[in-house]
Amino acid sequence: KAGVTQTPRYLIKTRGQQVTLSCSPISGHRSVSWYQQTPGQGLQFLFEYFSETQRNKGNFPGRFSGRQFSNSRSEMNVSTLELGDSALYLCASSSTGYYGYTFGSGTRLTVV
Amino acid sequence: TQLLEQSPQFLSIQEGENLTVYCNSSSVFSSLQWYRQEPGEGPVLLVTVVTGGEVKKLKRLTFQFGDARKDSSLHITAAQPGDTGLYLCAGGIFSGGGADGLTFGKGTHLIIQP
Repeated sequence: KAGVTQTPRYLIKTRGQQVTLSCSPISGHRSVSWYQQTPGQGLQFLFEYFSETQRNKGNFPGRFSGRQFSNSRSEMNVSTLELGDSALYLCASSSTGYYGYTFGSGTRLTVV
Repeated sequence: TQLLEQSPQFLSIQEGENLTVYCNSSSVFSSLQWYRQEPGEGPVLLVTVVTGGEVKKLKRLTFQFGDARKDSSLHITAAQPGDTGLYLCAGGIFSGGGADGLTFGKGTHLIIQP
């Protein structure tokens, strides 16, 4: 079956702009989580959606937001980009995260 | 806030040697997951352990969950160059409202030299 698809793979944005990243989970998975990965901080949890509802949120500023659609596809948005937002953004889907997640290949965001 | 300390951060060994990676926390986790990540790709799930004292084997890889469900280890026997990669442990606390997100260790960069 198809894996988790994230688009775009690479993105370059300017400080102050906003960006939207997309994630299509594995068919049948209703849980979608987002993570930020940087060399200094590693992988950090952003938020999790289940059946269009945000269930949990990590310790990130309000500039980071997301949503999930009825087909389980998810988007995350970052407004007023800062240089420190440069990172690999990973989406993960699961039927129940208890037994593990399937990650996408990520979107590499560079803010200049 | 849960923290997972993973050690060592970097490990470079010769093909055929054995190694162990450790993952420690002061928090109790419902589920402890190990992932492997290649450059430019997302993490790939290797194994999940959920019962204290549980041991799982995946070919030359042995995973152990501590009795108190606060720590875990990954042991690789007779390492091969194909084992090279970033190994990540991740703990989850699951309740009726889902997980509070996985807490990841910083990872172990493993290089196996031929």
